[in-house]
Formats: sequence, structure tokens, C-alpha cells
Amino acid sequence: DAMVIQNPRYQVTQFGKPVTLSCSQTLNHNVMYWYQQKSSQAPKLLFHYYDKDFNNEADTPDNFQSRRPNTSFCFLDIRSPGLGDAAMYLCATSSRNTPSYEQYFGPGTRLTVT
Amino acid sequence: GQNIDQPTEMTATEGAIVQINCTYQTSGFNGLFWYQQHAGEAPTFLSYNVLDGLEEKGRFSSFLSRSKGYSYLLLKELQMKDSASYLCAVVDSNYQLIWGAGTKLIIKP
Repeated sequence: DAMVIQNPRYQVTQFGKPVTLSCSQTLNHNVMYWYQQKSSQAPKLLFHYYDKDFNNEADTPDNFQSRRPNTSFCFLDIRSPGLGDAAMYLCATSSRNTPSYEQYFGPGTRLTVT
Repeated sequence: GQNIDQPTEMTATEGAIVQINCTYQTSGFNGLFWYQQHAGEAPTFLSYNVLDGLEEKGRFSSFLSRSKGYSYLLLKELQMKDSASYLCAVVDSNYQLIWGAGTKLIIKP
């Protein structure tokens, strides 16, 4: 089945220790997104890629970086995690070739910062 | 600015009907989504409306009025598994999703 995969599902890191979250997709979608979601809040868009074209949201902290080495994979790097970065990180994909721009989500990675 | 409003929490009884409202003010409109999100899980797609009117899909229906900036999600024959958050999201003029904070729906037996 075509899908969006995120690894790991749960990640624990120490304050200030770099961490990388990964996302892969078998949908061959040209757009990939990273969201941060805290409890009872809306998902907050951090970045998105349209093919290799990187788009950074204006209020995304410099502490967050992203890489998309090919169509299938996308990574979220948190260079120096703080306690406030503990959240669910959601990867999503969509295709600009469909009229609805529906986003397909992976299961998410729950990040804990100790 | 862009804004999506939906109630924070609603409670309903198993077997009943509930309507979750969403009002929006966005720069442009290219469609409205409803997603369901169970606690600790990712959002899953429920419905998409781009034209005015009602879209029915089994127990769930979604309505859109573009002139009023308003949508609702109607859930019939409620089941305990419908306890979740329901998120309204609008596709703006830049084809980005603008998300509401979600409505937590609690189903009681």
C-alpha cells in the first residue's frame, strides 16, 4: 500500500542534543511537509518542499532545519532541542497534480526532551 | 490575518447526531478539509468541500457556504470510536492548509 512512513515513532533526546526525524513516502508526491503539533493545538507548518524547492515558514526557528535528498525522503533536524520543542512532529505529502491538494499524513514522531 | 474558528470541545451521546461548526477568514479559498485525529495519532482525511452544498459520505456529511465563510461536519449514529478531535482546514490562495485548533468530541454511552 502507498503510504507515508515516519521513524522513529517515539524519540527521546536530551536538552541540547541534536536529533533527526525521518519521513519517507511511496506515493510519489511532489510536495512534502513538516508540522509541529502540541497538545490540543492546530498543526503548525514548519517547512514544505515542492520538489526540491524549499519553503521555510517565517516563524520557524533557526534551530529547525530540513533536508530532502530525493522525492521519497525528507528529514527534520533539530540542532539544539529545548524543552519547548517537545511535541508531535507530523510529516505529510500532497500532489500538486490533483485538484484537492489533500495532505496525507504519516503516523507522527512524538519527541520528548529531557 | 487568517483565522479558523471551531468550538474547543463538544459532548454527545452514543447513537445521537452532532454538528461541529467551523468559520473561516482566509486570504483566498481553494477548498476546505475536515480531518479526524485520535489522541496521539496523525490526522486522517474525512471530507473535502470546494463548492457550496452538502457532501454525504456514510455517517459523516460536510457542508460548505463560501459566501458565509462557514462549514459544518455532521456525524450521525454516533459510536464510541468517534471520540476524537475534528480539525477544519482551509486551502488558502498559496495552496497552503490553514488549520483550526480542532474540536474535541466526547461521546458518552
